[in-house]
Amino acid sequence: ETGVTQTPRHLVMGMTNKKSLKCEQHLGHNAMYWYKQSAKKPLELMFVYSLEERVENNSVPSRFSPECPNSSHLFLHLHTLQPEDSALYLCASSQDAGTSTDTQYFGPGTRLTVL
Amino acid sequence: AQTVTQSQPEMSVQEAETVTLSCTYDTSESDYYLFWYKQPPSRQMILVIRQEAYKQQNATENRFSVNFQKAAKSFSLKISDSQLGDAAMYFCAYRSPLIGNDMRFGAGTRLTVKP
Repeated sequence: ETGVTQTPRHLVMGMTNKKSLKCEQHLGHNAMYWYKQSAKKPLELMFVYSLEERVENNSVPSRFSPECPNSSHLFLHLHTLQPEDSALYLCASSQDAGTSTDTQYFGPGTRLTVL
Repeated sequence: AQTVTQSQPEMSVQEAETVTLSCTYDTSESDYYLFWYKQPPSRQMILVIRQEAYKQQNATENRFSVNFQKAAKSFSLKISDSQLGDAAMYFCAYRSPLIGNDMRFGAGTRLTVKP
């Protein structure tokens, strides 16, 4: 039980669809993260939020739009995705984004398939 | 930019035996943090062990220990008395002390435990 939940666990969408991934952490953390895990590639950090403000954006295409309404919730809005965006999307949280001792706790991920 | 390399895409070990997973990293920083994460087939990534670079003593967590060689930029994970439940993908990760800096992950090593 890591205290980080993600919904949905699986998502299939067409390239013209709009969908959202949801992440919720129950650990009282201040920082949340979105990662993309593609087959045979290292995890790629997409976004970092600290105290609901985005502190890092690693050149992610604009078809991915994050939203952090409060420190417990993080969304990833998806629109006009490409088949190569199919991957496992992992959410993580940590106490703070600015302290590298902080351990990140991961959610179970959303398996996204873009047709 | 920091890079993390796991040179063993796959490893296998006999139950109750010991296995060592390799990890090397590239950095110009003197202070940083290293992690090993485990991702079982259920996909929930969990922390196995972490090491602060300023500590000379190798971290240990029950059957898991690391061999941290700072000069060689090496951070291997040793699993003793391997159990079937240890079968998973193992990711080595590096985190800079810089505020908001992201965690860099290796490509992972898939560990199989044979009964």
